[in-house]
Amino acid sequence: EVQLLESGGGLVQPGGSLRLSCAASGFTFSSYAMSWVRQAPGKGLEWVSNLSGSGDHTRYADSVKGRFTISRDNSKNTLYLQMNSLRGEDTAVYYCAKDLPVAGSPPLEDWGQGTLVTVSS
Amino acid sequence: QSVLTQPPSASETPGQRVTISCSGSSSNIGSNTVNWYQQLPGTAPRLLIYSNNQRPSGVPDRFSGSKSGTSASLAISGLQSEDEADYYCAAWDDNLNGRVFGGGTKLTVL
Repeated sequence: EVQLLESGGGLVQPGGSLRLSCAASGFTFSSYAMSWVRQAPGKGLEWVSNLSGSGDHTRYADSVKGRFTISRDNSKNTLYLQMNSLRGEDTAVYYCAKDLPVAGSPPLEDWGQGTLVTVSS
Repeated sequence: QSVLTQPPSASETPGQRVTISCSGSSSNIGSNTVNWYQQLPGTAPRLLIYSNNQRPSGVPDRFSGSKSGTSASLAISGLQSEDEADYYCAAWDDNLNGRVFGGGTKLTVL
């Protein structure tokens, strides 16, 4: 059974930093691209970033480009999201998700339960 | 404002059929496949339909998807109370080089 467990969320001041982690189990982690998706309170889903299985290829939403960095440690089956220069509009539940490797628009097959990040003074 | 456009709400009575639309452009739905997600209240999203019309294992065949040009639709037949949820469409956007989501449709089963 695939399990994705996010951690690292919390309250941070504007301009501050936070690192989220996503511990994966139940599948061959290094074989799958992984993504981060966020959801602001009462709002819809917003894709944040994704990373290839090897860690060679990254993509970011324009809203976080230059501030967030996605990475992974395949030896630890863990995905990370380093978030710097945080703003109020980054307040959201952050989900990690496993990509399904199909052509076209790779779907997000499995999701974690999410971790809440609150940016406020 | 979301790149993909969905109606904010939909409603229907139990046992009936409802469709939810998703409108995009040539750079997303027009050139890539569409995925649909269901988010029950207070839970993480769940993949419902992928590659326009494919159901992951465990998704009932009451759920179906279709795509035509730059639009897509999710149909739910034999509505049940447990189908009350938010539904999101998503696709890859070649211009943005990233995933885009619809704003979500809140389905109410009357």
